[in-house]
Amino acid sequence: NAGVTQTPKFQVLKTGQSMTLQCAQDMNHNSMYWYRQDPGMGLRLIYYSASEGTTDKGEVPNGYNVSRLNKREFSLRLESAAPSQTSVYFCASSFYEGAYEQYFGPGTRLTVT
Amino acid sequence: EDKVVQSPLSLVVHEGDTVTLNCSYEVTNFRSLLWYKQEKKAPTFLFMLTSSGIEKKSGRLSSILDKKELFSILNITATQTGDSAVYLCAVEAAGAGSYQLTFGKGTKLSVIP
Repeated sequence: NAGVTQTPKFQVLKTGQSMTLQCAQDMNHNSMYWYRQDPGMGLRLIYYSASEGTTDKGEVPNGYNVSRLNKREFSLRLESAAPSQTSVYFCASSFYEGAYEQYFGPGTRLTVT
Repeated sequence: EDKVVQSPLSLVVHEGDTVTLNCSYEVTNFRSLLWYKQEKKAPTFLFMLTSSGIEKKSGRLSSILDKKELFSILNITATQTGDSAVYLCAVEAAGAGSYQLTFGKGTKLSVIP
C-alpha cells in the first residue's frame, strides 16, 4: 500500500498561472482533505470531500477549486496563482469523517513568484 | 470560531529528559482530540482521544484528555534524538452536517545528545 500520494512534490509558478495538484489514496477511504501549511500558522483546511460526489469548503477556500474524481482521487486547482498561495499543500484521507484519524500525503511545496 | 492553542511553541531538551506538551482548546461540539508528529514531511498519527481521564500509551509516549478543563497533554519519557519533531494537536468538532479538524500551531521539540 502506498497510502496517500501527491504529485508534484515541488512546483514554481508565476503569478496568474494555473495548476492542479493531484492526490490519490489506496486505503479505500471515503473522506479526503486538502490543507495548506504556512510557517507559524499550523495546518489549515482548504476543502474536503466527505464522500465520493461531495465537496465542501474549509477554513481558507478562496482561490482554490477541487474535484473528487472518484473514490481514490481528489485534486486541488489553482486557477490564477498568487504569491499568497506560496505554501506546502498536504492531502489527507480518512475512513469516514468524524472520529477517524486522517492519514497525510508527503506534501507539495508550491512557490508563486 | 474554534481555537486550539499549543504550548510551549518550542522546547529544547537533552536526551533522557521527560517532556510535557500542552494543548488547550475552545470548540463547539467537541468530538475528539488528535496528536500528530511531523518530521519535515507529512504529519503521522500518534493518538486519538475522545474520553476524559483515559490515558493512551505507545512506548515512551502517552497522552490524556481533560474535557472539563478543555486540554490535553502529551508526555514523552526518556527522550531520544529521534523524538525531535513538531508535535501537532488537532481538535475535531461537529459542524453543520460535517466534521472538521482545527490544528494548533505545533510545538517544536529539539532533543540534543
